[in-house]
Amino acid sequence: DTGVSQDPRHKITKRGQNVTFRCDPISEHNRLYWYRQTLGQGPEFLTYFQNEAQLEKSRLLSDRFSAERPKGSFSTLEIQRTEQGDSAMYLCASSPPRWGNTEAFFGQGTRLTVV
Amino acid sequence: DAKTTQPPSMDCAEGRAANLPCNHSTISGNEYVYWYRQIHSQGPQYIIHGLKNNETNEMASLIITEDRKSSTLILPHATLRDTAVYYCIVRLDDKIIFGKGTRLHILP
Repeated sequence: DTGVSQDPRHKITKRGQNVTFRCDPISEHNRLYWYRQTLGQGPEFLTYFQNEAQLEKSRLLSDRFSAERPKGSFSTLEIQRTEQGDSAMYLCASSPPRWGNTEAFFGQGTRLTVV
Repeated sequence: DAKTTQPPSMDCAEGRAANLPCNHSTISGNEYVYWYRQIHSQGPQYIIHGLKNNETNEMASLIITEDRKSSTLILPHATLRDTAVYYCIVRLDDKIIFGKGTRLHILP
């Protein structure tokens, strides 16, 4: 197992374009999380899935953001009509299905730059 | 909101023990204390976690006070590669909420 994989690692896009990021969790991890991190700040929670069900979405996740995990394995995060304020590192994490006493493993992130 | 409070930065001499404090005075009985660190431009890395008892692994030790309102992460022999932002997190079973963490500088 190679850990949580995110693709692409870097993305530069023009304002107004749509972008999609992919996250492949560690196999058999039923929980998958998305975070956003801007310079100098800690990661901010966006949303998380248990299997294919999206259990919670942060208020940070505006209507332009959508996340899916159709088969309970990989997940995608799409941002429509990107704005300069969307420039950030987008992190994905996964964890196994144990109550509380389990660690989450993070990917290396996708760095988005909106120009 | 994060349920923890950490100093924004700390310095430690290389080879010495780094002791990173964390306050979590509103922690509830079944919430775990987790520590992660983030080296520049990388994803957060799990270090250690505990509920009540002190814990030790190959990376660090975690000391939790008896009332569970605070904890200390100990890196026994800090190296330059330990320079990172360290996050203390209280977690039950859902999303991990990060605070601002402590930026640890290891001085040569």
